[in-house]
Amino acid sequence: ELKVEQNPLFLSMQEGKNYTIYCNYSTTSDRLYWYRQDPGKSLESLFVLLSNGAVKQEGRLMASLDTKARLSTLHITAAVHDLSATYFCAVGPLGGGADGLTFGKGTHLIIQP
Amino acid sequence: NAGVTQTPKFQVLKTGQSMTLQCAQDMNHNSMYWYRQDPGMGLRLIYYSASEGTTDKGEVPNGYNVSRLNKREFSLRLESAAPSQTSVYFCASSPYLTRSTEAFFGQGTRLTVV
Repeated sequence: ELKVEQNPLFLSMQEGKNYTIYCNYSTTSDRLYWYRQDPGKSLESLFVLLSNGAVKQEGRLMASLDTKARLSTLHITAAVHDLSATYFCAVGPLGGGADGLTFGKGTHLIIQP
Repeated sequence: NAGVTQTPKFQVLKTGQSMTLQCAQDMNHNSMYWYRQDPGMGLRLIYYSASEGTTDKGEVPNGYNVSRLNKREFSLRLESAAPSQTSVYFCASSPYLTRSTEAFFGQGTRLTVV
């Protein structure tokens, strides 16, 4: 059974600081996704990571994937208030398919001025 | 372009009542999913449909049934609602067997069972 663990689950940080959210998963996979959710809203796709060593960046967010360590990270650089949200990582079955994604519990991020 | 549309957005049910949550997508995706989101639990897969005419159980299927009505529509039915089914329900869709494409989510249905 695939398990996905995120940490921390809650993070309060100041604007301008850097921080990293970690996502560990328990079985081999070659597909990892990061989503953002604002309060009361749906999930918005941020990154799709498909290979070992993949790195993607969008603004102040950068995601990476290490399939050998079964670890993905979401790094926040010089945080701003607008990045306050809940961030989820999700893992798909190896090789693709339609079996659905397994989600972590989410990291609730608050960025304070 | 609407993407994934869920109805209703909010619902209050009494214990034992039944209801159907509707989901439709206009992206010509083969696969559709129902998840529930509970505080501190992330999203958990209830049922999925890999393609039209097929459905399979996910992690938490008990108390639910689904119907893949056609390629566009995938409904979730609660036959006898229980307070434990109070949750936010998300429908999602994705292309089939395509590694590079993520799942797209609807706006959610907030269900309260009293």
